[in-house]
Amino acid sequence: QKEVEQDPGPLSVPEGAIVSLNCTYSNSAFQYFMWYRQYSRKGPELLMYTYSSGNKEDGRFTAQVDKSSKYISLFIRDSQPSDSATYLCAMRLTGGGNKLTFGTGTQLKVEL
Amino acid sequence: GAVVSQHPSRVICKSGTSVKIECRSLDFQATTMFWYRQFPKQSLMLMATSNEGSKATYEQGVEKDKFLINHASLTLSTLTVTSAHPEDSSFYICSAADGRNTEAFFGQGTRLTVV
Repeated sequence: QKEVEQDPGPLSVPEGAIVSLNCTYSNSAFQYFMWYRQYSRKGPELLMYTYSSGNKEDGRFTAQVDKSSKYISLFIRDSQPSDSATYLCAMRLTGGGNKLTFGTGTQLKVEL
Repeated sequence: GAVVSQHPSRVICKSGTSVKIECRSLDFQATTMFWYRQFPKQSLMLMATSNEGSKATYEQGVEKDKFLINHASLTLSTLTVTSAHPEDSSFYICSAADGRNTEAFFGQGTRLTVV
């Protein structure tokens, strides 16, 4: 079993839809949770960062962490074609430096 | 966010030769740098962690003699793929952290093709 599971997709949605991306994990010691966006042949860029459980909102993006279920989500409201990319969840331990464990990434395509 | 520059963005080399990839933190001092490898439609796999001035720590299954990592300064780390083979063809990505913030910043990646 992988430490972090993420549906690779692809996920195709119409413009304006609400997108829900999810990851599950097995290590209950993970405390920091991140979502990265990666365009084709580019490095990942940090979208959202959350510590422990709870919600965090930034513009059209909302990140949720449910530590009791070992489940994290990223919601994208009013999705745009420019949101088409691969979204990777990542997480790390407290005191683990910046060593991240990544999900496989979900490929998202927002269509006109 | 902070800027991490990775060079080259693409490189093609012949089998048996060595290739060096540079990772620079442009506006902060990177006490720790990470090197990842990513195959198509797969996740980033951590290869090694390097701290400035000390030897890199390699993940299990990564050959340290094949993937040489040098982190000689607080703004530069290099990854050298020695005696490259076609199976080394991949997307290599570095990230850098300043040791104070909880996030690390990624370079734009290097597409290595060994022919």
